[in-house]
Amino acid sequence: KAGVTQTPRYLIKTRGQQVTLSCSPISGHRSVSWYQQTPGQGLQFLFEYFSETQRNKGNFPGRFSGRQFSNSRSEMNVSTLELGDSALYLCASRPPGQGSEKLFFGSGTQLSVL
Amino acid sequence: DAKTTQPTSMDCAEGRAANLPCNHSTISGNEYVYWYRQIHSQGPQYIIHGLKNNETNEMASLIITEDRKSSTLILPHATLRDTAVYYCIVRVLGGTSYGKLTFGQGTILTVHP
Repeated sequence: KAGVTQTPRYLIKTRGQQVTLSCSPISGHRSVSWYQQTPGQGLQFLFEYFSETQRNKGNFPGRFSGRQFSNSRSEMNVSTLELGDSALYLCASRPPGQGSEKLFFGSGTQLSVL
Repeated sequence: DAKTTQPTSMDCAEGRAANLPCNHSTISGNEYVYWYRQIHSQGPQYIIHGLKNNETNEMASLIITEDRKSSTLILPHATLRDTAVYYCIVRVLGGTSYGKLTFGQGTILTVHP
């Protein structure tokens, strides 16, 4: 079974631009969550989607948004990029079943904002 | 979710057992202990979780004290590939915290030849 796939692997943008990151979950997984990892703040939860609906959201500004498609693939968008948005963005999918808490993470997208 | 405390770093010799402690003194009765690890340049990887009984799987063993205020992750025969940051997370199973894990700083485990 293929793992969680994130594209692109690396991305360089400049301040003020916007960026879209993509995540394909493991087949059969309908829940996708996103995390930001920086050296200073560590791993922080951004949001979680299930069946195209956002069910949970972390403490990030509205510039960070996401969506999920009917095939469970998810995208996250960051508008008006700031230098501090430079980070590793990780996507995780979760198998179906109530109470299943084993998250499967992708390798992430390394975003550099110049 | 309850707060956890882990040592910043630990060393272990290859082939020996690595015992990684975690303190979660404010854990609630319905909170589970989860362990994930993150190898450099990869996403975190689930290792094991438990409520109050000791748990073992193909990767590791989890020992939770009787009062549940602390736990130890045991890698029985550490290899160089086990060098990673290990995260201890405490949270309620299910509930409304969908997909949300609260990661601390974790323990950097270095396995030496």
